[in-house]
Amino acid sequence: DIQMTQSPSSLSASVGDRVTITCRASQGISNYLAWFQQKPGKAPKPLIYAASSLQNGVPSKFSGSGSGTDFTLTISSLQPEDFATYYCQQYINYPFTFGPGTKVDIK
Amino acid sequence: QVQLVESGGGVVQPGRSLRLSCAASGFTFSTYGMHWVRQAPGKGLEWVAVVSYDGSNKYYADSVKGRFIISRDNSKNTVYLQVSSLRSEDTAVYYCAKEEYDSDGYRFFDYWGQGTLVTVSS
Repeated sequence: DIQMTQSPSSLSASVGDRVTITCRASQGISNYLAWFQQKPGKAPKPLIYAASSLQNGVPSKFSGSGSGTDFTLTISSLQPEDFATYYCQQYINYPFTFGPGTKVDIK
Repeated sequence: QVQLVESGGGVVQPGRSLRLSCAASGFTFSTYGMHWVRQAPGKGLEWVAVVSYDGSNKYYADSVKGRFIISRDNSKNTVYLQVSSLRSEDTAVYYCAKEEYDSDGYRFFDYWGQGTLVTVSS
């Protein structure tokens, strides 16, 4: 199985900050990488697929990059509604696997 | 608009069974694969199973293989997860998720339901 790791596991940031989260796969996954945002008590919300393509309706302050084993999610200017946990996920083969999550909270 | 509504969760004793349902609307259900993903309390996301658009192909996580069965009824726009021989570690919110295809034909999630909680406890 492909193992996904994320760093940091948590971070504190202020409104307006630029935030970057890193995701690493245990083997090459090309660009078959998705990102999700999850708020407490809610279902995950898809943000990005194919490493850098925004899902419908996702604001352009979110961006993704990377290929192979190393990927990043960037939030260009953090807003109050962006405080949440973010997960990466590979979908190149089964079993699909998720990273452990990165919790973004208010400094 | 796309809606996925899970049901069937509850409190169940270890070793017992339950059938989860996910009713879909707002898209042509019979042309998309469907997945189940779970999340134990306070933990991360774990992919559980997938069924192809026509029900002919199914894949499972090793942690549930032999105990869970995914199926679908395209006439009812519903996907099911039969969960059996339940263990305490199966306690989780179970989400269904719809597939979409990227430009290379690889499948990613584009919609999720709100989830249904399964609690395994004596």
